[in-house]
Amino acid sequence: DVMLTQSPLSLPVIPGEPASISCRSSQSLLHSNGYNYLHWYLQKPGQSPQLLIYLGSNRASGVPGRFSGSGSGTDFTLKISRVEAEDVGVYYCLQTVQPTWTFGQGTKVEIK
Amino acid sequence: HVQLQQSGPGLVKPSQTLSLTCGISGDTVSSNLSAWNWVRQSPSRGLEWLGRTYHRSRWHTDYSTFIKSRMSVNPDTSKNQFSLQLRSVTPEDTAVYYCVRAERTKGTFDIWGQGTLVTVSS
Repeated sequence: DVMLTQSPLSLPVIPGEPASISCRSSQSLLHSNGYNYLHWYLQKPGQSPQLLIYLGSNRASGVPGRFSGSGSGTDFTLKISRVEAEDVGVYYCLQTVQPTWTFGQGTKVEIK
Repeated sequence: HVQLQQSGPGLVKPSQTLSLTCGISGDTVSSNLSAWNWVRQSPSRGLEWLGRTYHRSRWHTDYSTFIKSRMSVNPDTSKNQFSLQLRSVTPEDTAVYYCVRAERTKGTFDIWGQGTLVTVSS
């Protein structure tokens, strides 16, 4: 199975400052169709995960423009241009290029 | 507006079968653009994809390797829902279970159920 490794696992942030999370894959997530099958989710306390970014860099409907995704192959990054208090929670990456889909361990973002 | 509504018991005894159902509104279980999944979450194992069912000219099911021998996912077109059955449960199967839609054009999960905490205990 594909393994995803996120870093850092804990990220204290200051509102208004940028933040960045890395997701590294044990295998390439680039499909022959040209898309990277790597996605980002945010799970707020007490809620189900919600989709932020799909296929590497596409913001899901309703997701604020301060969230962006980049990367290709095995290295991916989620960036928040200016963190807001409502962005706290656990961020997960997910790969769907293989038949067995796997998640990263999660990165807990909290206000410093 | 697609919604998933989960139902099923929150407590199961060891060695018995865990059964959950996910009702679909705003989409159909036989849609060629959707796949219907089960995911679970526990503090020790994190988020784990368990299995899926989907219709592409015929019905397909896929299961995660580690749970394949104990698991079934089945569609019910008459009720527009799908179900999970996990056999021979142990306390390690204690987790929050989610039903989740995967949408074909996005290639990933986009709609999640509310989650059901299932505890395996005698």
